[in-house]
This record gives sequence, C-alpha cells and structure tokens, in this order.
Amino acid sequence: AQSVTQLDSHVSVSEGTPVLLRCNYSSSYSPSLFWYVQHPNKGLQLLLKYTSAATLVKGINGFEAEFKKSETSFHLTKPSAHMSDAAEYFCVVTYNQAGTALIFGKGTTLSVSS
Amino acid sequence: KAGVTQTPRYLIKTRGQQVTLSCSPISGHRSVSWYQQTPGQGLQFLFEYFSETQRNKGNFPGRFSGRQFSNSRSEMNVSTLELGDSALYLCASSLGTGGVSTDTQYFGPGTRLTVL
Repeated sequence: AQSVTQLDSHVSVSEGTPVLLRCNYSSSYSPSLFWYVQHPNKGLQLLLKYTSAATLVKGINGFEAEFKKSETSFHLTKPSAHMSDAAEYFCVVTYNQAGTALIFGKGTTLSVSS
Repeated sequence: KAGVTQTPRYLIKTRGQQVTLSCSPISGHRSVSWYQQTPGQGLQFLFEYFSETQRNKGNFPGRFSGRQFSNSRSEMNVSTLELGDSALYLCASSLGTGGVSTDTQYFGPGTRLTVL
C-alpha cells in the first residue's frame, strides 16, 4: 500500500533558527508530493507541491522542499523560523493513477520559542 | 474569491443519531472531497464528488455517504453514529479537471463533530 511517513511527531526550534521537517514516501509509482500546514482551529493550507517538475520546490512563507528520488524523501525546510510558523505540518502523497486519493502523514507539530 | 465554507462548525450528537454536514466549494470548483481527522488515525480520505458523481471512495463503512448538487455544493451524511465518529470533518474543493495529483485542494475550516 502507498504510504507516507513523517519521521518526527514534534519539532522544537528557536525563532531565527532553521527548520527541518522530515518526510519519506513509498516509491511504487511516480508520486506527487505536497506539504500542508494547519494552524489551530483552521483548515489546511497548501505550502508547496511537487509534481515531477523541478526537484527543489519553493512554497509560501519562505518554505521549500527537495524531492530526492534515491532517498524517497521530501523534507521541508526554512532558513529562519518565525513565531507564526508554529503549527502542525502534513506531508501528503498521491500517485497519478485513477482512483488515487491524497494520503496524509501523521503530522509534525512545530513549536517555535522566542 | 470566497474560500471553502463548511456548516455547521460544531455539532454534538448522541450515539445512534444521524448527522448531515454541508460544504460549499470555491466558486468554479467542481470537485469536493471529504476527509476525517482524528488524533488516532490522522487524516483519512472519505470520498470525492465531481459533477454530482462519486469519483473516488476511501475505506469507510457504508454509514458514511455523500452527495453533490448541481451547484457543486456537497453534503456528507453519517447514519447510526458511533463514539468513534467523533472527529474533525474537512472538505476540500478543487477544479477537478486534473485529478488529485495536479489539482490544488483548498480546504475548509472543518466541522467538529462530537458523539456522546
């Protein structure tokens, strides 16, 4: 079965330091990959997506992710964390096959301290 | 452009009852998908509707059903509620023409269902 694994359930950083949220996916087929963010009591917002174009994907709010096929990874990074980045982040995979839906990771909670 | 709206935002029901949740997509979007979010299982896909037809379905029992109207608004129904149905139910809309691998999904704020 297709799957996606977020390697950390919780990440804590200080404001101004880099952010790294890790994600691995199963590699049966060519994937499309997404990162979504969910702030408390809000819906999910798309940060960025990879759909077989450039392997380094830039998203909103300074986030970016790199698709590494050899490592089946799609880690999310940001050079400098801001307090407003504190939220839950979901790595999502889907495959370009009929009947495939979005498959969500379990989520990583990012805490940012001042 | 208005975003995805879901009503009601909060709902409390008792076991055995049924419930209907509503989702209004972004104007021009023809696909609506529903997801269940729980602390234990995370986010799971329920079903997708496109042009009033169910196009895709997740692995949920038949108590969970949905429909889509000609204006693309969608409803989700859960019959014979169980305690385990307590969750945040999210809907997402998209243009629907490219499929989930290319169409960006725009999520609503969710309906928080509590089953007592």
